[in-house]
Amino acid sequence: AQSVTQLGSHVSVSEGALVLLRCNYSSSVPPYLFWYVQYPNQGLQLLLKYTTGATLVKGINGFEAEFKKSETSFHLTKPSAHMSDAAEYFCAVSAYSSASKIIFGSGTRLSIRP
Amino acid sequence: EAGVVQSPRYKIIEKKQPVAFWCNPISGHNTLYWYRQNLGQGPELLIRYENEEAVDDSQLPKDRFSAERLKGVDSTLKIQPAELGDSAVYLCASSSGLAEGNEQFFGPGTRLTVL
Repeated sequence: AQSVTQLGSHVSVSEGALVLLRCNYSSSVPPYLFWYVQYPNQGLQLLLKYTTGATLVKGINGFEAEFKKSETSFHLTKPSAHMSDAAEYFCAVSAYSSASKIIFGSGTRLSIRP
Repeated sequence: EAGVVQSPRYKIIEKKQPVAFWCNPISGHNTLYWYRQNLGQGPELLIRYENEEAVDDSQLPKDRFSAERLKGVDSTLKIQPAELGDSAVYLCASSSGLAEGNEQFFGPGTRLTVL
């Protein structure tokens, strides 16, 4: 079985500051890992995903995440926050053996201070 | 290319009334998902279709929820009768099953309020 834990339901950073959203996963088989973003009153949009290969994954809007198997983590970062980054972010995991079923974390709301 | 289309976007009903949500997936996507997203939480899978077959409905409350995907394209999710606890956003997603990692594309959702 898979599970995802997102540390911090709300993160607030200043514009231009580093963004770090934490995600730890549990999976008994090699995982696929995802970060989705959800803007108000919209559906989820894929930011980036890790499947196999390079452990540092680059996504849209300047975000990236690093898969660390030893730490079972997949933290999301962005060097410099922009006001438009304010949204809800969801980490998700699926198992390679059943790639269609994705388990989502509870989300982290990112606020950007001017 | 059009994304996943859902309607209505918002629905307000009184408890014990029926309600239905409609989803049109991205053209060519064989897999369709219905999720429920409660306030402040991540989406939770209700049902997954491969073409017209429901392959995972283990989390669907079958006493009041039903879904169908006739002809393997559009899908409808129904609640009858609705309860106060059904207030949530209902998201539809689709995937082609071809992309590594099986990326899912989400619609904007239907926000249901049960009074």
